[in-house]
Amino acid sequence: AQRVTQPEKLLSVFKGAPVELKCNYSYSGSPELFWYVQYSRQRLQLLLRHISRESIKGFTADLNKGETSFHLKKPFAQEEDSAMYYCALRVGPGGTSYGKLTFGQGTILTVHP
Amino acid sequence: EPEVTQTPSHQVTQMGQEVILRCVPISNHLYFYWYRQILGQKVEFLVSFYNNEISEKSEIFDDQFSVERPDGSNFTLKIRSTKLEDSAMYFCASSRQPSGYEQYFGPGTRLTVT
Repeated sequence: AQRVTQPEKLLSVFKGAPVELKCNYSYSGSPELFWYVQYSRQRLQLLLRHISRESIKGFTADLNKGETSFHLKKPFAQEEDSAMYYCALRVGPGGTSYGKLTFGQGTILTVHP
Repeated sequence: EPEVTQTPSHQVTQMGQEVILRCVPISNHLYFYWYRQILGQKVEFLVSFYNNEISEKSEIFDDQFSVERPDGSNFTLKIRSTKLEDSAMYFCASSRQPSGYEQYFGPGTRLTVT
């Protein structure tokens, strides 16, 4: 069974500071990892996924299979980054999957001015 | 940009009543999902649906729950006899394929069972 752990429920930083939101997973096969973001009173939206290896809104995340981690990082946090962030896992192609996403508990990021 | 829509945004019902939550997925998507989030807890998968059949369901999705695509656009979640513990935010999502493609989420329906 898949499992995603986000150890920090709350994370507070000041504007301009670096931020790292931690995500660890357990899955024996080849997973797809995602970060979803939910801004205040908005829907869940995809922030980035490991297969695209792109940077969105200055955020990056690297899949570390050795440490089974997919931490989200941004070098200089902005106030508009304040939101709830969810790490999620999906069984990759070749696995038995119909698209189910397994979510972590979420981390509330607050960026202070 | 096309979006997943859900109605109603908030539903209040009494314990034991049946509720139907409605979703309109993105039109060219083939895979549909329901998730729920109890207040203060994580988002949990309930069920996936493809080609008019349930593809996968979680332990939460017991006989009280059912899903249907009654026409070409709507995707519904029915709870037959609601319990207090069914109070949660219910999210619908859709995607073109089960892997390799983004899942798009609706805004959610907040279900309150009294």
